[in-house]
Amino acid sequence: QVQLVQSGAEVRRPGASVKVSCKASGYAFTTYYMHWVRQAPGQGPEWLGSIDPSAGTTTYAQDFQGRVTMTRDTSTNTFYLELGGLRSDDTAVYYCARRFGGYYLDFWGQGTLVTVST
Amino acid sequence: EIVLTQSPGTLSLSPGERATLSCRASQSVDSSYFAWYQQKPGQAPRLLIYSAFLRATGIPDRFSGSGSGTDFTLTISRLEPEDFAVYYCQQYRSSLTFGGGTKVEIK
Repeated sequence: QVQLVQSGAEVRRPGASVKVSCKASGYAFTTYYMHWVRQAPGQGPEWLGSIDPSAGTTTYAQDFQGRVTMTRDTSTNTFYLELGGLRSDDTAVYYCARRFGGYYLDFWGQGTLVTVST
Repeated sequence: EIVLTQSPGTLSLSPGERATLSCRASQSVDSSYFAWYQQKPGQAPRLLIYSAFLRATGIPDRFSGSGSGTDFTLTISRLEPEDFAVYYCQQYRSSLTFGGGTKVEIK
């Protein structure tokens, strides 16, 4: 069965960076794009961008251009999200989510809480 | 960027009642790129409906989606206890955006 298992919670100071991982299993890794979505407390989800696992090419949401980097490791079937220049309003649960069809997200990781605080 | 506005913010209903949730887009959306998700506390969103009206795998037929252009609707024909949750709409056109959510709570 499809599983996306994310790394554990992180705490960072403002200005620092964080790297979250998402290990995929149960399907052909290079077949489906992976998206990253975050959700601040009490808010709706917010899209950060996506990566093509086959070519490694990325598409980032405009609001995160220059701060976000998405990569993948085909040897371990793992995706990575790195976000730099952290601010307090980056505090959120970060999810990886597999895309199928017309940009629908059919399988999600369990989420990684990133807390940015002094 | 297309903004999705969901209404109402909160819907208070009893089990067995019908729920009608609305999502309005700031610009026309291709129905092929429109979806609905359900989210329960402490869980990731779960895909319910894609292409505006198609049910995802394992979703019961009491959930139905309709609409086109700028106005979309999610209907739950008879609420079951497990349906009380927050629902989000989502679209893709150059970027992917979500609505602010509708909470369906027990009356």
